[in-house]
Order: sequence, then structure tokens, then C-alpha cells
Amino acid sequence: ETGVTQTPRHLVMGMTNKKSLKCEQHLGHNAMYWYKQSAKKPLELMFVYNFKEQTENNSVPSRFSPECPNSSHLFLHLHTLQPEDSALYLCASSQASHVGIEETQYFGPGTRLLVL
Amino acid sequence: AQSVSQHNHHVILSEAASLELGCNYSYGGTVNLFWYVQYPGQHLQLLLKYFSGDPLVKGIKGFEAEFIKSKFSFNLRKPSVQWSDTAEYFCAVNAAGTGNQFYFGTGTSLTVIP
Repeated sequence: ETGVTQTPRHLVMGMTNKKSLKCEQHLGHNAMYWYKQSAKKPLELMFVYNFKEQTENNSVPSRFSPECPNSSHLFLHLHTLQPEDSALYLCASSQASHVGIEETQYFGPGTRLLVL
Repeated sequence: AQSVSQHNHHVILSEAASLELGCNYSYGGTVNLFWYVQYPGQHLQLLLKYFSGDPLVKGIKGFEAEFIKSKFSFNLRKPSVQWSDTAEYFCAVNAAGTGNQFYFGTGTSLTVIP
């Protein structure tokens, strides 16, 4: 049983829809991450939050908008997505130090997103 | 930028066969190394990790990995696989000093035939 939960587990949306993905971690961690997992490609890091502050944005299009209201919750707001955005979106958390040494990430089950 | 290469994309083995999955990374400094496993329909789980010390790391379910710094490698091994080991295996690297940047390989799909 993972300490990281994600909802919804599956989502189908049209290109004009607005939806949000939710992630919650119950591990007392202070860093949270969004990844995109597409077939035959490495996991792509999208966003990182350390102590509720966004520290990484790996050139992600603005149609993806993250929100981290506290260290336990992370959202990914979706707006006017494209079919190529269909993928598995994974949330992870870790106990971050300021130099990133000896961190281990724990992953949620993911949200399978299909954009029509 | 750092990168992680997993050379075997799909491996098929019979039960009791030995397993070795390759992982190479490109970074000259200190690294933290991980292997994750994703069973069908389940989330990514940590299999084992290396931060420092003994380069031979033992993980869960009989898996082990050896860090060879001179070869920039962190290969995953298991002496005798079981049908339940059928899964996707991901190697990941966190380079010291890069904060929260984790780099993942493309994954290796392992199918174990009973």
C-alpha cells in the first residue's frame, strides 16, 4: 500500500475541457513531483515542489498548471490539452534535503489520461 | 544533461533462469542510483537503491544490483526469476548537487514464462 494517492485513476477529456488531477501524500514528506509516463519513453519530470515552493519546471506547456497548497497536496490543472498529452501522470513525494542527497521517491498509482 | 540508458527493452525468460538488466548513466560526479519495478496495473515501487558504501546492494524479492563506478553502470540481477517477477523495471539516477532532479531510463519489460 503506497503512502501516495492519486485521483482520479482514469480520466477522459476533450480538448476544450478543464480538469484537475489530485495527489496526496501521507508520508510526511516535503517535496512533491509530477511526472509524465508515455509508452517507450523515459519518465519525464514535469514539476517539482520543495516545501510548497516550485523549484523545477521542465519546459512544460502552460496548458499544464501545478498547484501545491501545502506539503501534503499537489494538483495538476489541465486546460485545452492536445491528444499527444494522453499518458499516465504520476505523482511522487520524497523527504528533500537542501542538497538533494539521499532522497528516495515514492510514487502514486498514477492517473491514466486520454485526451480526445 | 544527465541521461540513463537501459539497453534491454524487452526480456523474456523461463522460470528459474538468471536475470541481468543493464543500466548505464552519464554523469561524472556523485550519484544516487535506484531501481524501480512496476507490476502490471500497479504503481512504481522501489526495488533497491544505492547511496554510498558497499557497491553491491541487495533489495527486496531477491534482487541485487552492483554499482561499478568505472563503467557508470548499475545493473540489476536476480539468480532465479519467478513468474511473479513479470513487470517493467526502471533505472533512475539522482545526481548529487542537482537538487530534486531524477533521471529515468526508458524501462525494461520482463516477461517470465512459467
